[in-house]
Amino acid sequence: EVQLLESGGGLVQPGGSLRLSCAASGFTIGSYAMSWVRQAPGKGLEWVSVLSGSGTSTFYADSVKGRFTISRDNSKNTLYLQMNSLRAEDTAVFYCAKEACSSTSCWMDYWGQGTLVTVSS
Amino acid sequence: EIVMTQSPATLSVSPGERATLSCRASQTVSSNFAWYQQKPGQAPRLLIYGASTRATGVPARFSGSGSGTEFTLTISSLQSEDFAVYYCQQYNNWPVTFGQGTRLEIK
Repeated sequence: EVQLLESGGGLVQPGGSLRLSCAASGFTIGSYAMSWVRQAPGKGLEWVSVLSGSGTSTFYADSVKGRFTISRDNSKNTLYLQMNSLRAEDTAVFYCAKEACSSTSCWMDYWGQGTLVTVSS
Repeated sequence: EIVMTQSPATLSVSPGERATLSCRASQTVSSNFAWYQQKPGQAPRLLIYGASTRATGVPARFSGSGSGTEFTLTISSLQSEDFAVYYCQQYNNWPVTFGQGTRLEIK
């Protein structure tokens, strides 16, 4: 059974840093593309970042480019999101998601339960 | 980026009736399109991908249709567990983008 468990969220001051983790089980993250998606309180879903299955390609939303870094540790079967220079508008529940892919495109087939990040002084 | 527009924002339907949710893309996304269901306090759940393929374990009362820029999610006979927020998503172009959601509520 595929399971994703996020951790690392919490309260951080503006300008601060936080590293989120997403521990996977039931599959090997090194074989799949993985994404982070966030949801501000009472709002919709916003894609944040993706790491390719090969681990060699990363993409970021313009709103986080240069501040966030996605990575993974295959030995721990864990995905990470390093978040620096945090802003109040980064306050959200952050979800990790496994990607399923056809020959040409990928969609998110499994999601974790999310971890809340609150940026406030 | 591609803008996804869902309608209506809120849909009130009685249990047992049919619900039809719509999503429009600002430019063609072919069939690289998905629907997700989200209940309060829970993560989104994949319902439909490829515009019309049900995900594993999704009941047959959920069906998706459309291609290009116009898409529809139909729930044929609403059950109590179906009342939730539904999001559409395109994954044809980077960045992937979501609609703002349709809240399906009990009438």
